Amino acid sequence: QVQLQESGPGLVKPSETLSLTCTVSGDSVSSGSYYWSWIRQPPGKGLEWIGYIYYSGSTKYNPSLESRVTISLDTSKNQFSLRLTSVTAADTAVYYCAREVAFYHFDSWGQGTLVTVSS
Amino acid sequence: EVVLTQSPDFQSVTPKEKITITCRASQSIGSRLHWYQQKSDQSPKPLIKYASQSVSGVPSRFSGSGSGTDFTLTIDGLETDDAAIYYCHQSGSLPRTFGQGTRVEIK
Repeated sequence: QVQLQESGPGLVKPSETLSLTCTVSGDSVSSGSYYWSWIRQPPGKGLEWIGYIYYSGSTKYNPSLESRVTISLDTSKNQFSLRLTSVTAADTAVYYCAREVAFYHFDSWGQGTLVTVSS
Repeated sequence: EVVLTQSPDFQSVTPKEKITITCRASQSIGSRLHWYQQKSDQSPKPLIKYASQSVSGVPSRFSGSGSGTDFTLTIDGLETDDAAIYYCHQSGSLPRTFGQGTRVEIK
């Protein structure tokens, strides 16, 4: 059974870069059937898709964040990562990594990690 | 961008009731509509995939229907454990989007 686990700093200063890593166990990020995704949820609010990466390295991002987002893959560590630059308080959220069955649903989610943007 | 609009935003129900949550898409997405349950301080859990397909391990009281732009999630025989926020999500186009959520309270 696949498991995903987010890791990274819980506090980031305004204008700096948010960096998170998702470690995958029970499956390979080199699998061709899935899109490895990031989703976030501001406190008390709904879910926002950030983007995904395919095993080939191909990426797709939410246009609302595209200028600030990079998702990358590290197959040697079976991980994928999120970088979000120039953060503001509006980027404070629980960040989830998830596995999308291509063009289907998100079948597996990490537990989520709260990132607060504050000085 | 496909906008998903759920109704109602909130529903307070008694155990054993049957409820229906609707999700309307701003354009046709075929059957690429999925439902999730999110309990307090937990990550979302998939309930229904591809509009009406059951997800393994999910109780049979959860069912889904619809295609195109109109979809429904039905919970027939609510249990206290079903108190949660329910979200729809579309994978028919980019960016992936979610409905705003429907909070279900059990009286």
